[in-house]
Amino acid sequence: GENVEQHPSTLSVQEGDSAVIKCTYSDSASNYFPWYKQELGKRPQLIIDIRSNVGEKKDQRIAVTLNKTAKHFSLHITETQPEDSAVYFCAASRGNNRLAFGKGNQVVVIP
Amino acid sequence: NAGVTQTPKFQVLKTGQSMTLQCAQDMNHNSMYWYRQDPGMGLRLIYYSASEGTTDKGEVPNGYNVSRLNKREFSLRLESAAPSQTSVYFCASSPRDSPSNEQFFGPGTRLTVL
Repeated sequence: GENVEQHPSTLSVQEGDSAVIKCTYSDSASNYFPWYKQELGKRPQLIIDIRSNVGEKKDQRIAVTLNKTAKHFSLHITETQPEDSAVYFCAASRGNNRLAFGKGNQVVVIP
Repeated sequence: NAGVTQTPKFQVLKTGQSMTLQCAQDMNHNSMYWYRQDPGMGLRLIYYSASEGTTDKGEVPNGYNVSRLNKREFSLRLESAAPSQTSVYFCASSPRDSPSNEQFFGPGTRLTVL
């Protein structure tokens, strides 16, 4: 099955700096890659996603890039703010009703 | 719309006891899912239901059973709880049979098995 890995496990950034989280996946048939944000004690919520026919997608301060050849995709957060502090999960799917999640990255934004 | 709701929010069981976690969604979604979340392990799929009347095993199905009662409701049952099943359980739903649409999560059930 699909194996999704996230790096680094914990990332600390100064407020206003950028944060980048990278995920790798194993199944070359995967074609959908969402990112979920989970604040402490809350449910995961989708923040951005990308399909395999697109290389990059942006939504205000967040962006996702996909490199299908290398089988990795990354979440970019610019101008980080304290409310960006959370656990971020990447996931991959080949469109078979299943998402394979990574283990999560803890992002800490230092004021 | 309430979205995805789960009951109970918290539960403490003794080893060997049974219980059912309830999940309901009011978004007319076809697909529903049960995940468990353990520290450092991410979200692992237990069971899912692509549509009413169908269920399939996920990554970690052992020790669990599910019932897709109707389009709205998807329950998870622990027949004989074990300490290894201590976890936070999330139910989710998505609008079509493919997960290439957003999965909406419920608030979670925190289960402790003593």
